[in-house]
Amino acid sequence: EAGVAQSPRYKIIEKRQSVAFWCNPISGHATLYWYQQILGQGPKLLIQFQNNGVVDDSQLPKDRFSAERLKGVDSTLKIQPAKLEDSAVYLCASSLGASANNEQFFGPGTRLTVL
Amino acid sequence: GDSVTQMEGPVTLSEEAFLTINCTYTATGYPSLFWYVQYPGEGLQLLLKATKADDKGSNKGFEATYRKETTSFHLEKGSVQVSDSAVYFCALSDFFKDTGKLIFGQGTTLQVKP
Repeated sequence: EAGVAQSPRYKIIEKRQSVAFWCNPISGHATLYWYQQILGQGPKLLIQFQNNGVVDDSQLPKDRFSAERLKGVDSTLKIQPAKLEDSAVYLCASSLGASANNEQFFGPGTRLTVL
Repeated sequence: GDSVTQMEGPVTLSEEAFLTINCTYTATGYPSLFWYVQYPGEGLQLLLKATKADDKGSNKGFEATYRKETTSFHLEKGSVQVSDSAVYFCALSDFFKDTGKLIFGQGTTLQVKP
């Protein structure tokens, strides 16, 4: 079974530029999560989708971050404009459903460096 | 709000040594508790979990017991191997909302030397 796919794996941009990340979850997984992991910290949830609807985006900086999951499968996360403090690894995870009983499977992450 | 605190790393051990990584949490209700592991160059993966007080999660020789009285979920292994070198994350899930959202600790790096 294929795991969660993310691209690109690495991205370097200058501040104020835009960037987008892509995630393809495990087939059949209704729930998709985007986490931000800053160096030396644990992952922090940015946004959670159930199919193509948003369950939780309370910690998403909506003035610069946006995310979509239009067909309930793939998802993109965008940052516009980027700031230095956005340098982090962006992790995508998916699960069968939105419950702690459903294991989350994580992708390899996208490492973003903002100069 | 809910939070998780892990012991500072890195933890450096010799092969076959006993491992303990401390984890304490602050939460309302009765959250589920997890340990995730991140091997070098790989994504996070679930190591073990416990869903109620006094439950013991176990996998690959690792164990952790959900202690509500001390709000702790310490990870232990009797004899570590070089292949256990990784970053370990303790996490909890929100009890009341139960959306699957995970709140992570800061991670503890384990280095096992031959």
